[in-house]
Amino acid sequence: DAGVTQSPTHLIKTRGQHVTLRCSPISGHKSVSWYQQVLGQGPQFIFQYYEKEERGRGNFPDRFSARQFPNYSSELNVNALLLGDSALYLCASSLGVTSTGELFFGEGSRLTVL
Amino acid sequence: QQPVQSPQAVILREGEDAVINCSSSKALYSVHWYRQKHGEAPVFLMILLKGGEQKGHEKISASFNEKKQQSSLYLTASQLSYSGTYFCGPDSGNTPLVFGKGTRLSVIA
Repeated sequence: DAGVTQSPTHLIKTRGQHVTLRCSPISGHKSVSWYQQVLGQGPQFIFQYYEKEERGRGNFPDRFSARQFPNYSSELNVNALLLGDSALYLCASSLGVTSTGELFFGEGSRLTVL
Repeated sequence: QQPVQSPQAVILREGEDAVINCSSSKALYSVHWYRQKHGEAPVFLMILLKGGEQKGHEKISASFNEKKQQSSLYLTASQLSYSGTYFCGPDSGNTPLVFGKGTRLSVIA
């Protein structure tokens, strides 16, 4: 079975631009979470979606938005990019939102903002 | 709020033991542990649930003190493959996981 897939794997943008990152969860998983990981730090929670509804939002500005589609894939959008948005963006899928299930992470999308 | 992990980094020789600690300021339902190798995605190690149930598939043990809102990960007889950064993710019940800053473990021959 395919794992969590993310695209693109690497991208370079300039300040002020916007970016869309995509994530396909493991088949059968209904929950998708997005994390931002800056070099040397732990993954920082951005959003969680379950059954196409937002179930949690981390401490990120409104420039960050996300959505989940009927097939449970998800997009993360970031507008008006800043240099500080440079990071590895990780998507993780799980069966549900309960705390008893493990997260399966994708390999991430590495964003560089110049 | 972000949990606090200690130590921040540790270097071991093969065969030595290590303990990684995780503390939360919130009442916990479960604690998750993940390991991330350099350049790779985090990988699930185990979940410790309130009441003592433990789910995992690695030869690594852990404890969960609900009253103290703490968890510890025990790595015994460490192997080179144990190297990586370990993250804890406490959960207060149906809440998204918020990870600590991580503990960097280096195992040398």
